[in-house]
Amino acid sequence: QMQLVESGGGVVQPGRSLRLSCAASGFNFDDYAMNWVRQAPAKGLEWVAVVSYDGSDRYYADSVRGRFTISRDNSKNTLYLQMSSLRTEDTAVYYCARDPFIVATINWFHPWGQGTLVTVSS
Amino acid sequence: EIVLTQSPATLSLSPGERATLSCRASQSDSSYLAWYQQKPGQAPRLLIYDASNRATGIPARFSGSGSGTDFTLTISSLEPEDFAVYYCQQRRSFGGGTKVEIK
Repeated sequence: QMQLVESGGGVVQPGRSLRLSCAASGFNFDDYAMNWVRQAPAKGLEWVAVVSYDGSDRYYADSVRGRFTISRDNSKNTLYLQMSSLRTEDTAVYYCARDPFIVATINWFHPWGQGTLVTVSS
Repeated sequence: EIVLTQSPATLSLSPGERATLSCRASQSDSSYLAWYQQKPGQAPRLLIYDASNRATGIPARFSGSGSGTDFTLTISSLEPEDFAVYYCQQRRSFGGGTKVEIK
């Protein structure tokens, strides 16, 4: 069955960097755009970034543009989120989620990974 | 950017009752309105896409309707496992969520 498994979360100091990974299985990874969505503690969902099937198109939320970079390695069926200049307000569970189409038009999200917690704290 | 407003924030109902959740968009974009269910400690789960299409494996008691700026998620008869938080989503925007709790 389709599965997404995130990793790489942890505790990091403000201003530092962290890279998240999302390993995909059970579907043709390079046939779909992929997203990152986050959820701060006891808060709602916030879309973070999307990348097209081949990595050529990438879009970001205003809150992370210029600090986060989404990328993918289709040979490894893996999605990444490189996060730099982290702020306390970036503390959240980060989910990867598949888009239904190949282009980065952000439609709906299915399936979702189980999430990985990033805590930015001194 | 589209702002999605969900109402009510909390819905207190008993098992077997009908739940009606609303999602209003600040502007009309498309019919790509999706609904998700999230239980504590779990990832969100897609229920409805394109405003009215049930995702694979979703029970028929869940239905979506609406177009333009007004959308509705209806749960025809609440089961114990349906008490959760529900989010609507359109493009990069999510609503603030509706918590369906046991009365």
